[in-house]
Amino acid sequence: KNQVEQSPQSLIILEGKNCTLQCNYTVSPFSNLRWYKQDTGRGPVSLTIMTFSENTKSNGRYTATLDADTKQSSLHITASQLSDSASYICVVSPREYGNKLVFGAGTILRVKS
Amino acid sequence: GAVVSQHPSWVICKSGTSVKIECRSLDFQATTMFWYRQFPKQSLMLMATSNEGSKATYEQGVEKDKFLINHASLTLSTLTVTSAHPEDSSFYICSVQVHNEQFFGPGTRLTVL
Repeated sequence: KNQVEQSPQSLIILEGKNCTLQCNYTVSPFSNLRWYKQDTGRGPVSLTIMTFSENTKSNGRYTATLDADTKQSSLHITASQLSDSASYICVVSPREYGNKLVFGAGTILRVKS
Repeated sequence: GAVVSQHPSWVICKSGTSVKIECRSLDFQATTMFWYRQFPKQSLMLMATSNEGSKATYEQGVEKDKFLINHASLTLSTLTVTSAHPEDSSFYICSVQVHNEQFFGPGTRLTVL
């Protein structure tokens, strides 16, 4: 069964600190793995997208890594800001599903001052 | 990427009435759009794939006669929740497929009283 599991479920950090969010998946083979940021009451916004052959992808203070051997991905946020408070969703695109996506439950991040 | 809008951003209706939600692709001609539903503290669940000029493809467990989808043009797809009930209260999000990425709308919060 294609699944995407994220940890931790929620996280609170101080402004300026770094954090790492984890994503484990069983989807195989897959076309790409994505990380989205979803603010409360808003639609998801893409942060990074990686194909199965990529190991890392950065977007400003966000850096995603991918280990296809262990089927793990992480999203590292550096120098966190209050505006980083949101839900971060790991999404995998199974090759057999065409354009359909498998969503993780998300990690709720709260950055406090 | 694609810019996706939704209208309305929120709606409150009485039980038994129908509600139409619009999804527009503002800068990309989308042959395929997706409709998702998201309950509080849960991830997005795909409801249906909207194909321009043809019938939508619904996911298992989603009633096609209750959630009517019309994709009459390359820039507009509509989701009509017919005879809405309180259990239909949710956050509805559409997305547009652009090459190997999906771009999401801002969502529509539906509350059925």
